[in-house]
Amino acid sequence: AQSVTQPDIHITVSEGASLELRCNYSYGATPYLFWYVQSPGQGLQLLLKYFSGDTLVQGIKGFEAEFKRSQSSFNLRKPSVHWSDAAEYFCAVGALTGGGNKLTFGTGTQLKVEL
Amino acid sequence: GAGVSQSPSNKVTEKGKDVELRCDPISGHTALYWYRQRLGQGLEFLIYFQGNSAPDKSGLPSDRFSAERTGESVSTLTIQRTQQEDSAVYLCASSRQESNYGYTFGSGTRLTVV
Repeated sequence: AQSVTQPDIHITVSEGASLELRCNYSYGATPYLFWYVQSPGQGLQLLLKYFSGDTLVQGIKGFEAEFKRSQSSFNLRKPSVHWSDAAEYFCAVGALTGGGNKLTFGTGTQLKVEL
Repeated sequence: GAGVSQSPSNKVTEKGKDVELRCDPISGHTALYWYRQRLGQGLEFLIYFQGNSAPDKSGLPSDRFSAERTGESVSTLTIQRTQQEDSAVYLCASSRQESNYGYTFGSGTRLTVV
């Protein structure tokens, strides 16, 4: 069964600093990988997704993520964080299994941005 | 509609009462999912519907939880004899059949059992 680990529960960065949120997955084949963001009181919004091909994927709001098969990682990055990026970020892995297209989510990383 | 719609947005109920949560997916999305998010925790899969296939109920935590969906339309999640540990945000998502499109989530129903 697939699983996702987000080792950092909380991260604090200064506005304008760079950001990297870690995500490690476990899956036996090539996974589908996603990053979602959840702002306070809001639903989850898809930031970006990886299926195949170029291992560096670009998403919305200036985010990008890199798939590294050798490290089973899919870390999310942003070169310069804005105060509005403060939110909770979830990494997810999906696959076509006998149970369907179920996504398995990590426990999330809460991002705080200091002004 | 344009997005996934969930109702009610907030629900406060007394312990032992039954509650029904509703999800209206995006038109054309054949797959529908329910997740639970407890305070400070990640998303916990509950149930998955795909078209007219038998649902994947593997995530339902107890027989007090059930869900229905007619065809590719609205789904209802019912929790019977609610307990305080059922307090959480219940999120619904829908997607096209292919998993690589990812989900579109609704804003959730915040359930508080007092």
